Amino acid sequence: GNSVTQMEGPVTLSEEAFLTINCTYTATGYPSLFWYVQYPGEGLQLLLKATKADDKGSNKGFEATYRKETTSFHLEKGSVQVSDSAVYFCALSGGGSGNTGKLIFGQGTTLQVKP
Amino acid sequence: DVKVTQSSRYLVKRTGEKVFLECVQDMDHENMFWYRQDPGLGLRLIYFSYDVKMKEKGDIPEGYSVSREKKERFSLILESASTNQTSMYLCASTAGRRYEQYFGPGTRLTVT
Repeated sequence: GNSVTQMEGPVTLSEEAFLTINCTYTATGYPSLFWYVQYPGEGLQLLLKATKADDKGSNKGFEATYRKETTSFHLEKGSVQVSDSAVYFCALSGGGSGNTGKLIFGQGTTLQVKP
Repeated sequence: DVKVTQSSRYLVKRTGEKVFLECVQDMDHENMFWYRQDPGLGLRLIYFSYDVKMKEKGDIPEGYSVSREKKERFSLILESASTNQTSMYLCASTAGRRYEQYFGPGTRLTVT
């Protein structure tokens, strides 16, 4: 079945460091891919998405490219800030599961950025 | 501004009580979801609904039921709450597979 695998955290970085959070997936068909972020005490919110191969999603300095050949959607940011400290979830939708928009989530990666 | 609201941010219930968690969305979405989130386990899907009065079990439906009588409202019911249902519960809605899910703020439920 469909699945998403994320790198385990926590990830601890200093401010202005480069961030990569790895995400790989297994899916039939052509899924859409998402990164969600959850700040402390809040629900999840969409960070970025890509709906087809080679698409690049970007938002707030974060980027991820939909790589079908490596079944990956790694999240990157060139210079992290303390305010980026949160839990990040990779997810996929579709790819054979109808049009319900049901998501398969990775386990989440906690990022802590220190001043 | 799109909105998914949940009836309570924090809830404390006793073992054996019947618990209702309410979720309302204002985006006219067909699809709505209930998840629970636990440390180390990520998000797990309990139930989802793809239309009024339609529902499907997710990965962990045991001990839960749902109700969707109106398009905008999706309720999660714990028929007889147990301590292992202490968790954060998140509701979400979406227009479909190529669109993002919008999440509510979550309800932290404690069953004592």
